[in-house]
Amino acid sequence: GAVVSQHPSRVICKSGTSVKIECRSLDFQATTMFWYRQFPKQSLMLMATSNEGSKATYEQGVEKDKFLINHASLTLSTLTVTSAHPEDSSFYICSARGQPGQGTYEQYFGPGTRLTVT
Amino acid sequence: KQEVTQIPAALSVPEGENLVLNCSFTDSAIYNLQWFRQDPGKGLTSLLLIQSSQREQTSGRLNASLDKSSGRSTLYIAASQPGDSATYLCAVKKGSNYKLTFGKGTLLTVNP
Repeated sequence: GAVVSQHPSRVICKSGTSVKIECRSLDFQATTMFWYRQFPKQSLMLMATSNEGSKATYEQGVEKDKFLINHASLTLSTLTVTSAHPEDSSFYICSARGQPGQGTYEQYFGPGTRLTVT
Repeated sequence: KQEVTQIPAALSVPEGENLVLNCSFTDSAIYNLQWFRQDPGKGLTSLLLIQSSQREQTSGRLNASLDKSSGRSTLYIAASQPGDSATYLCAVKKGSNYKLTFGKGTLLTVNP
């Protein structure tokens, strides 16, 4: 149980274009989803937290107009990187958390999406 | 601001050795601590979660300890195998609704 998927696993896009990454909780309802970014040999850095039906809360230094997050349902959140630049190339990982008391309250992580901007 | 440090950054051992990975955190007021495994280019797999009131947790060949007052945790791996090769990440949380703060990880290589 508590499986989280991400799509796509890898994406290459040209500078200036936008790319969307999906995060799905497959067997539980995720009231909260988290988006992380990981650079090589670095720790995971939280970008934003989203609660279903609400606007995402962004961490300090993360541009909300560049990294658009939508959490419209209890099983799906999307991260759209707008006007991507090479410095946005990174490994993006999402995690999902259910409701308190339902056994899925810890964060369950997706497999990650490797974004390369050329 | 919570900071999590993992030592060593990389470790290479021969198969069969017992080993210890270290994690330290600057703010001892944590809710829980979690150890994860990350394979290259993959997401995270939770290995062990220790609540702040606990001293250790065990799962198979893995044993994690927590000394909250000193801000330290260790992950002990017994009889290491090549399949244990991965990056091991430590993360702490301040409260049930708080975010996870991760260390940079320890890259473990177990040589056959």
